[in-house]
Amino acid sequence: NAGVTQTPKFRILKIGQSMTLQCAQDMNHNYMYWYRQDPGMGLKLIYYSVGAGITDKGEVPNGYNVSRSTTEDFPLRLELAAPSQTSVYFCASSYGYGQGTGETQYFGPGTRLLVL
Amino acid sequence: AQKVTQAQTEISVVEKEDVTLDCVYETRDTTYYLFWYKQPPSGELVFLIRRNSFDEQNEISGRYSWNFQKSTSSFNFTITASQVVDSAVYFCALSEADSSYKLIFGSGTRLLVRP
Repeated sequence: NAGVTQTPKFRILKIGQSMTLQCAQDMNHNYMYWYRQDPGMGLKLIYYSVGAGITDKGEVPNGYNVSRSTTEDFPLRLELAAPSQTSVYFCASSYGYGQGTGETQYFGPGTRLLVL
Repeated sequence: AQKVTQAQTEISVVEKEDVTLDCVYETRDTTYYLFWYKQPPSGELVFLIRRNSFDEQNEISGRYSWNFQKSTSSFNFTITASQVVDSAVYFCALSEADSSYKLIFGSGTRLLVRP
């Protein structure tokens, strides 16, 4: 049981380039999330998904896109990378008991992204 | 407004000392959930504990203990007899019942345990 996996671990992008951050989970969780962590800060929610085909915006969605075609995978797409997107990106998942249950989110190891 | 404040940016202790990490939260919901996560130097986030707003019992897990006080909106974390392996950034987080898809994180407390 690998839990939540993320690839790549580290990437350098030039301004204007695009890339997809991969996230997969093997815990049969329904809910998945993408967060970013800026230096010295806590995490902020970018997007989340409550099931295949269903996604919604979090606090800081601008400059990102997501899709969820399967329960296991939740890729995050960066279009036209900007220096402000330099951050560490974490994917997380939770079982999906429903809103209001405060369920625990389990995090992947993170992807460090540097935009120059 | 929802907010989590971890006023201690960095704490340095000598091994075997006890240390308390403070967490103060703000929420208008009567039903909410509080979490602590550990982020060791390797960078991953490790879940430590989850409490709901109706359970104010303190919890102990080995050298770790948590003190939840609704009267002061605090959820403090104490490590007893600290060890070098406890060195990490610790995050407190809040999830509200009305918007529980979102975890609201504090800015974290960096704990350095010196041998």
